[in-house]
Amino acid sequence: LAKTTQPISMDSYEGQEVNITCSHNNIATNDYITWYQQFPSQGPRFIIQGYKTKVTNEVASLFIPADRKSSTLSLPRVSLSDTAVYYCLVGAPYSSASKIIFGSGTRLSIRP
Amino acid sequence: DTGVSQNPRHKITKRGQNVTFRCDPISEHNRLYWYRQTLGQGPEFLTYFQNEAQLEKSRLLSDRFSAERPKGSFSTLEIQRTEQGDSAMYLCASSATRDQETQYFGPGTRLLVL
Repeated sequence: LAKTTQPISMDSYEGQEVNITCSHNNIATNDYITWYQQFPSQGPRFIIQGYKTKVTNEVASLFIPADRKSSTLSLPRVSLSDTAVYYCLVGAPYSSASKIIFGSGTRLSIRP
Repeated sequence: DTGVSQNPRHKITKRGQNVTFRCDPISEHNRLYWYRQTLGQGPEFLTYFQNEAQLEKSRLLSDRFSAERPKGSFSTLEIQRTEQGDSAMYLCASSATRDQETQYFGPGTRLLVL
């Protein structure tokens, strides 16, 4: 079971770039890395997913080194609305659903 | 709106009562998941369906919990003889068969057992 480790919390300011790193030392060959965002009283929302190197979409970038034992979610020029909990997950598309573990996530607070 | 919907959004009940929650997934998604989330924690997997078949259940899912997805569309989660420890947010998510890591979540049903 691929376990992930993230910082419990992070603080930043509007307009800054925020990088949240996730460790997953036991990631398996078939595992993908997925990040979700959750606002209070809402369900998590998919942000980005990757397997290796770099993935970028309109919301974020995901950097994955060659050994894949960690990944970094990068949020460019954050705003107050980016205050949320961010979850890093690893899992394979065809593996057991019960192996998808959210953990406690990283609580990101953005200040003016 | 073509997202995942859940009803009711809030439920307050007395200990010992039965409650039922409903989830309507994104229509073309074959997989449907139920999670439970308590304050300060991430969602915990409870069970999942592929079409109408319930393929996995977590050990968290006691005998008082039952889930159904009779026609492979909407799903219900019933909790019998509720306990105060059942108070939590119950989340439903759906995904396409080939991409279970990309799950689309509903807004959740917040249950409070008094």
